[in-house]
Amino acid sequence: GAGVSQSPSNKVTEKGKDVELRCDPISGHTALYWYRQSLGQGLEFLIYFQGNSAPDKSGLPSDRFSAERTGGSVSTLTIQRTQQEDSAVYLCASSRTGVRSPLHFGNGTRLTVT
Amino acid sequence: GEDVEQSLFLSVREGDSSVINCTYTDSSSTYLYWYKQEPGAGLQLLTYIFSNMDMKQDQRLTVLLNKKDKHLSLRIADTQTGDSAIYFCAESIDTGGFKTIFGAGTRLFVKA
Repeated sequence: GAGVSQSPSNKVTEKGKDVELRCDPISGHTALYWYRQSLGQGLEFLIYFQGNSAPDKSGLPSDRFSAERTGGSVSTLTIQRTQQEDSAVYLCASSRTGVRSPLHFGNGTRLTVT
Repeated sequence: GEDVEQSLFLSVREGDSSVINCTYTDSSSTYLYWYKQEPGAGLQLLTYIFSNMDMKQDQRLTVLLNKKDKHLSLRIADTQTGDSAIYFCAESIDTGGFKTIFGAGTRLFVKA
């Protein structure tokens, strides 16, 4: 079946502009995660959605970052007034409910802020 | 707190065994995972181990868990050039839901 789909795959934007990154999780997966991977850095947790519960936003680096998940499916990560340090690969993952459910990752969106 | 640590680089010769180590801090970890990331791709699950297990073997992969020391390792036997990738250790912790925290990743170089 279809995996996690992210769009766009690449995005180049000017400093100060807003960007929206989209994630389509695997159908039936109730958990959805956003991570950021910077060059030479590891995987930085951003935000986690689980079913209808309030999202865990503890990883968002500033109030310029926000995310929503509509209808328990598609998620959008929005970065306002982008800065050069926002340049990174943004990875989305989804999983079924339950502790043993591994994460299924999309291929990411590579964001470059010029 | 939630923290997963790994060494950043490992270099081995083709045919040798690779051992990638990881330490974690959260004692409520339930499952621990190893993911592999090849260039330009997302992460793929390699294997996982439940926190009440000591060892899990899956073909060339052996996972060892020392829960007392909160230490996890991944051994790859007969390492091949195709094993060159970044390997991420991750823990699943109970926060009401289950949140997965990743280490920084270990870049494995396999020399022919």
